[in-house]
Amino acid sequence: NAGVTQTPKFQVLKTGQSMTLQCAQDMNHEYMSWYRQDPGMGLRLIHYSVGAGITDQGEVPNGYNVSRSTTEDFPLRLLSAAPSQTSVYFCASRLSAAGGEKLFFGSGTQLSVL
Amino acid sequence: GENVEQHPSTLSVQEGDSAVIKCTYSDSASNYFPWYKQELGKRPQLIIDIRSNVGEKKDQRIAVTLNKTAKHFSLHITETQPEDSAVYFCAASREGGGFKTIFGAGTRLFVKA
Repeated sequence: NAGVTQTPKFQVLKTGQSMTLQCAQDMNHEYMSWYRQDPGMGLRLIHYSVGAGITDQGEVPNGYNVSRSTTEDFPLRLLSAAPSQTSVYFCASRLSAAGGEKLFFGSGTQLSVL
Repeated sequence: GENVEQHPSTLSVQEGDSAVIKCTYSDSASNYFPWYKQELGKRPQLIIDIRSNVGEKKDQRIAVTLNKTAKHFSLHITETQPEDSAVYFCAASREGGGFKTIFGAGTRLFVKA
């Protein structure tokens, strides 16, 4: 059972480039989300989804797009990367959209924007 | 919006001593409070959680307490060991209707041997 799989593990971009961070889970989880982790600021929610075709904004959504065409996949798109988006990104999922359960995290993507 | 504050940001203890990390939350509708541990270079993993219908929960050397009136909850680690060294995050969310899990800024715990 793979759990939550994130790719790539590391990425370096130039300002203005675009890219997609991939996230897939094989646990039939309803809920999927993206967080960014910056020193001293904890884990901040970017976007989340409560099911296929349903997404919503978190605490820091600007500069990021998401879509959820299947239950398994929840990609995060950076349309025009900026140095402020240098961070570690985690995808996380849980079984129920209703909350009250633990999150399962992917292994993270370390992104540097030059 | 929802907010979770966590203190201290850094905590250094001697092996065998106790460590306490405190959090406060702003959303009075929050009713589920998990704690995650993140070792260096690894992903966060749940270590204990508590729901608002109980005031305390224990699991071996770790315990969590909740004061709903004050909107405070705390993590207690007793008999600390070097392998307890990590970053600990508190979080708050709503069971049964809320979708967001909001995290505190994290506490870096150092346990000195």
